[in-house]
Amino acid sequence: GAVVSQHPSRVICKSGTSVKIECRSLDFQATTMFWYRQFPKKSLMLMATSNEGSKATYEQGVEKDKFLINHASLTLSTLTVTSAHPEDSSFYICSARVGSAYEQYFGPGTRLTVT
Amino acid sequence: DAKTTQPPSMDCAEGRAANLPCNHSTISGNEYVYWYRQIHSQGPQYIIHGLKNNETNEMASLIITEDRKSSTLILPHATLRDTAVYYCIVRVKDSSYKLIFGSGTRLLVRP
Repeated sequence: GAVVSQHPSRVICKSGTSVKIECRSLDFQATTMFWYRQFPKKSLMLMATSNEGSKATYEQGVEKDKFLINHASLTLSTLTVTSAHPEDSSFYICSARVGSAYEQYFGPGTRLTVT
Repeated sequence: DAKTTQPPSMDCAEGRAANLPCNHSTISGNEYVYWYRQIHSQGPQYIIHGLKNNETNEMASLIITEDRKSSTLILPHATLRDTAVYYCIVRVKDSSYKLIFGSGTRLLVRP
């Protein structure tokens, strides 16, 4: 199946700093990418839907000024956690979809720890 | 999208079939049933999906009841590597393509 990568796989940052997470579709062009967050022992929570060349659509309760999403090309979407705080520590996962395909291909996730 | 109900945990012996149930009694006619799984600390993996007919692929079989109010994912010969959280998701195959994950079933395959 199609491959989606994320970088970095793990990051530790200090409270108040910003962190950028990249999501790339390696062997296909993704018309839509999705960002999820997962706290320990909890399910995935959809944060936003990102379409190439347009603004992301955020789910209710997700602050768009805190979680900046850029989908500048068909193979790259980035999530920037601005002014991170310890409560932002979580597992962030992206997924990508191509064309009218029913499958979403998920990245391996990025574990963010804010100290 | 319709809500799903899954048992929080199950276990089965290695080499035996694992049958994971999902209840979606409020499913509507244009909603599909999707199954994904997540192995610890990894991204979810697509397994299978269906509308009303039973489906089979190299990973699993999906059995959907005639009234479509429930379904069962079958892993015919479970291995230790099938230990994961299995998510049953019901959604419309529309332009949003969003997946809303429930709490899933934690399957433990015992040696």
